[in-house]
Amino acid sequence: KQEVTQIPAALSVPEGENLVLNCSFTDSAIYNLQWFRQDPGKGLTSLLLIQSSQREQTSGRLNASLDKSSGRSTLYIAASQPGDSATYLCAALGKGGSEKLVFGKGTKLTVNP
Amino acid sequence: GAGVSQTPSNKVTEKGKYVELRCDPISGHTALYWYRQSLGQGPEFLIYFQGTGAADDSGLPNDRFFAVRPEGSVSTLKIQRTERGDSAVYLCASSGRVGGGSYNEQFFGPGTRLTVL
Repeated sequence: KQEVTQIPAALSVPEGENLVLNCSFTDSAIYNLQWFRQDPGKGLTSLLLIQSSQREQTSGRLNASLDKSSGRSTLYIAASQPGDSATYLCAALGKGGSEKLVFGKGTKLTVNP
Repeated sequence: GAGVSQTPSNKVTEKGKYVELRCDPISGHTALYWYRQSLGQGPEFLIYFQGTGAADDSGLPNDRFFAVRPEGSVSTLKIQRTERGDSAVYLCASSGRVGGGSYNEQFFGPGTRLTVL
């Protein structure tokens, strides 16, 4: 059974700092790994999707990496801004017939002006 | 529509009542998913449709929960005899070859917040 863990649970940084959010998964048989952003009381916004054959994906100030062999993914945010404050969730899409995402509990990021 | 939509946005009901939650996926997406998110937790899978059929319903917690997608587009999640423990945000997502992104990238709606008193 796939389990996804995100560390830290919460992170507070000053504006302008570069930061890394961590995601680990127990079963390396995945199709892809997806990073989401969730604002309070809102749904999930897809940020980046890394297919199992890829090592990383970039979008603007965001860069996500995937290391299947070690069961780890990281989300790097460059030059953080107060508007980046949100909860960031990672989710793994497993192989084996079902297309369900297995989510971590998220990292709550606060960027202080 | 441009994205996944869900109605209602909020639903308050009494213990024992029946509720229906609706999801409109991105037009042309063949796959539709329901998840449930409790406070402070990540979403948990409930059921997945490919077209009109439920391809995986292993996440439904018990037989009070049922979902349909009769025409392969809109889906309805139905909860009978609601319990206080059913209170959560119910999220819907869709994926497919249209609407941008990778084939198996899931796009989520804003959710329905269900409160059972």
